[in-house]
Amino acid sequence: QPVLTQSSSASASLGSSVKLTCTLSSGRSTYIIAWHQQQPGKAPRYLMKLEGSGTYNRGSGVPDRFSGSNSGADRYLTISNLQSEDEADYYCETWDGNSRVFGGGTKLTVL
Amino acid sequence: EMQLLESGGGLVQPGGSLRLSCAASGFTFSNYGMSWVRQAPGKGLEWVSTIGVVGNTYYADSVKGRFTISRDNSKDTLYLEMSSLRADDTAVYYCAKRAGGYVDYWGQGTLVTVSS
Repeated sequence: QPVLTQSSSASASLGSSVKLTCTLSSGRSTYIIAWHQQQPGKAPRYLMKLEGSGTYNRGSGVPDRFSGSNSGADRYLTISNLQSEDEADYYCETWDGNSRVFGGGTKLTVL
Repeated sequence: EMQLLESGGGLVQPGGSLRLSCAASGFTFSNYGMSWVRQAPGKGLEWVSTIGVVGNTYYADSVKGRFTISRDNSKDTLYLEMSSLRADDTAVYYCAKRAGGYVDYWGQGTLVTVSS
């Protein structure tokens, strides 16, 4: 079963950019992942699918301030021009055969 | 507009049972795999179970043998039958639509509390 590792927290200033990281466990550097956002007190929201090639597809209604990229086993979510509503928990997700797994989540604080 | 509406959550005693439902609308339910994902208070997301288009089912080790996922395509509804409930099953349970291997749409969730 794959493991996804995320930093527990991150912070950045209003109007700046931030890059969140999700690292796939060894031997799974080609895996597709998905990024999800969970604002305080709300259900999660799907943001995008990110392939091992670095190609990403945003979900319906997701602003183009959200983008994806990768380097080896690392999958990145970059948020540009940070807004106050971007303060949220961000989770990555992947799957392997019959198992689905989420990373532990990164809590983003907008200063 | 796509919608997933969970129901059936509530307070149940340890060892008890509960059935969650998820009514889907706005998409062709029978064409998609569906999942249940839960979130314990103050914790992260945990995958619980998935059912494929042809009814194939998968479970997390933590619920295997206690939970049963099913679907009724004639009613566009997903179910999760939970038995032998424990305190650590306390969580918000989300219904989720899958696009291949990942979730691409979430419901609003229903709270299950296991306590005496």
